Amino acid sequence: QLQLQESGPGLVKPSETLSLTCTVSGGSISNPNYYWGWIRQPPGKGLEWIGSIYYSGSTYYNPSLKSRVTTSVDTSKNQFSLKLSSVTAADTAVYYCGRTRGLREIGYWGQGTLVTVSS
Amino acid sequence: QSVLTQPPSVSAAPGQKVTISCSGSSSNIGNNDVSWYQQLPGTAPKLLIYDNNKRPSGIPDRFSGSKSGASATLGITGLQTGDEADYYCGTWDTSLSAGGVVFGGGTKLTVL
Repeated sequence: QLQLQESGPGLVKPSETLSLTCTVSGGSISNPNYYWGWIRQPPGKGLEWIGSIYYSGSTYYNPSLKSRVTTSVDTSKNQFSLKLSSVTAADTAVYYCGRTRGLREIGYWGQGTLVTVSS
Repeated sequence: QSVLTQPPSVSAAPGQKVTISCSGSSSNIGNNDVSWYQQLPGTAPKLLIYDNNKRPSGIPDRFSGSKSGASATLGITGLQTGDEADYYCGTWDTSLSAGGVVFGGGTKLTVL
């Protein structure tokens, strides 16, 4: 059974860079049928797609976040990562990683990790 | 403000049927497949429907999806108290301003 697990600091200071890693188990991140994505959910609010990355490194980003987002993939560790720069309190959210069939539905989700932006 | 429009809340009694709408445009639902997600309180979203009307393994046939033009609908029959959750629609948007995966604002289902 495929499993995804987010990891990273739960507290980030304003203006700094948020960094998260998603570790994939039970399947290969190099499977050519899937993209790997990041989605976030501010407390009490809805879902917002951040971006998706293919095992080859090809990326798609939310236009509203594109200038601050960087994603990468490490096939040797079966991991992919997110960096969001210049964070503010508005970036406080539960961050989920997920597996997407092509650029379609998100079939598998991590459990999510709360990242709070505060000094 | 979300690209896809859902009603904020719906409610129905146990055993009854409910539908949740998701309205978009030609740049998203009108030309791309829709998926639906269930988010139980305090948990990650779970895929309920993909490709407009297909159910992943393990999802009961009480859940159904349909699409017509630039709108989609999730249907739930035989409501159970365990169905109380937030439901989100999602799809791909090809516009320059919203390009990528877009979601509805979510609909809170209350089973009275």
